[in-house]
Amino acid sequence: SQKIEQNSEALNIQEGKTATLTCNYTNYSPAYLQWYRQDPGRGPVFLLLIRENEKEKRKERLKVTFDTTLKQSLFHITASQPADSATYLCALEDSSASKIIFGSGTRLSIRP
Amino acid sequence: GAVVSQHPSWVICKSGTSVKIECRSLDFQATTMFWYRQFPKQSLMLMATSNEGSKATYEQGVEKDKFLINHASLTLSTLTVTSAHPEDSSFYICSARPGTSGRLSEQFFGPGTRLTVL
Repeated sequence: SQKIEQNSEALNIQEGKTATLTCNYTNYSPAYLQWYRQDPGRGPVFLLLIRENEKEKRKERLKVTFDTTLKQSLFHITASQPADSATYLCALEDSSASKIIFGSGTRLSIRP
Repeated sequence: GAVVSQHPSWVICKSGTSVKIECRSLDFQATTMFWYRQFPKQSLMLMATSNEGSKATYEQGVEKDKFLINHASLTLSTLTVTSAHPEDSSFYICSARPGTSGRLSEQFFGPGTRLTVL
């Protein structure tokens, strides 16, 4: 069956450390993968998109990797800050169904 | 740019009543809008895809007679939850894709509407 899984429901780390979130998928062949941030009671906000032919993408303190062999994407936040605390969602396109599929999210908490 | 609004941001209603949620693209025209539902600590689940001027396409398991979608203009889609029941209580989020974009990846999300049915 097709699945997209974010392995950690919650992650707590110390301010200043690097947060690493994992997204694995099964039985999809996405042309790209996206990461979103969602704050409580708010809609998702797009952060980064990485294509299947890209190994790594960076945006300020954010870095995303995409390994199509492992069927995995890693999302890193370096020099984490309490303001980075939120739920982070990965998403991919199910091209056969013309829709975006979301993972269940990882709730990240950065403690001062 | 690329702002999507939803109204209301929250609503409480009695069981059996109908509730309408609006989704507007404020600074672009959206030929396609998507409606999602999110239960606590769960992911966004696509309910339906609506294209301006045509009938919405509903995902499997979503009752089209219960969740009425109207996409009457390029900047407005509405979701009406008819005869709402407590199990319909959820966070409803819309997204809009610019008419100039052919990519599913280019969706802009609204802030969501919290529906509570008593």
